[in-house]
Amino acid sequence: DVKVTQSSRYLVKRTGEKVFLECVQDMDHENMFWYRQDPGLGLRLIYFSYDVKMKEKGDIPEGYSVSREKKERFSLILESASTNQTSMYLCASSAPGANYEQYFGPGTRLTVT
Amino acid sequence: LAKTTQPISMDSYEGQEVNITCSHNNIATNDYITWYQQFPSQGPRFIIQGYKTKVTNEVASLFIPADRKSSTLSLPRVSLSDTAVYYCLVGDVRNSGYALNFGKGTSLLVTP
Repeated sequence: DVKVTQSSRYLVKRTGEKVFLECVQDMDHENMFWYRQDPGLGLRLIYFSYDVKMKEKGDIPEGYSVSREKKERFSLILESASTNQTSMYLCASSAPGANYEQYFGPGTRLTVT
Repeated sequence: LAKTTQPISMDSYEGQEVNITCSHNNIATNDYITWYQQFPSQGPRFIIQGYKTKVTNEVASLFIPADRKSSTLSLPRVSLSDTAVYYCLVGDVRNSGYALNFGKGTSLLVTP
């Protein structure tokens, strides 16, 4: 069965901390994505990667970076967390040529105080 | 990226058919139309995808007119468990370096 896991369901961090959100998929997918979801704004793409060590900026990359050292793992990094980064973060993966069918993880609700 | 427009919210009673229409006037030749469903506290889930005419699966039907400038997701005989947010996405999904734009979606509320 297809599975995307995220390291934490809930996370509370302080302003200025460096935050790592981890995502792992077991489907051998080339493509991986990070989104954030906020009330009234829908899902917005932060970064995506279509191969190991490759990354592309999405709609809102400012304040974030990513790392893809292994095919199954895609990490989202908040270099210096701020309160406006309090959000639900969702990771997804898809097979090459099939970006229409993305598999999502359960999400991480991050609160920055 | 083709811009999509869909209603912010819709209400329905159990047992009714629900049609959610999405407008995408600047859809490109290589673009496909995809719909996702998202329940509270979960990630979105792929429902259906099409290019033209009609596509049907066990969950929904997707109607796409000849000009492809809009599409309609049809949910037959909805139940309370169909209460969710539905997203219409348009893009060249065969291209691995291409990402989809989820937008704000349509919040469907099904009541008894």
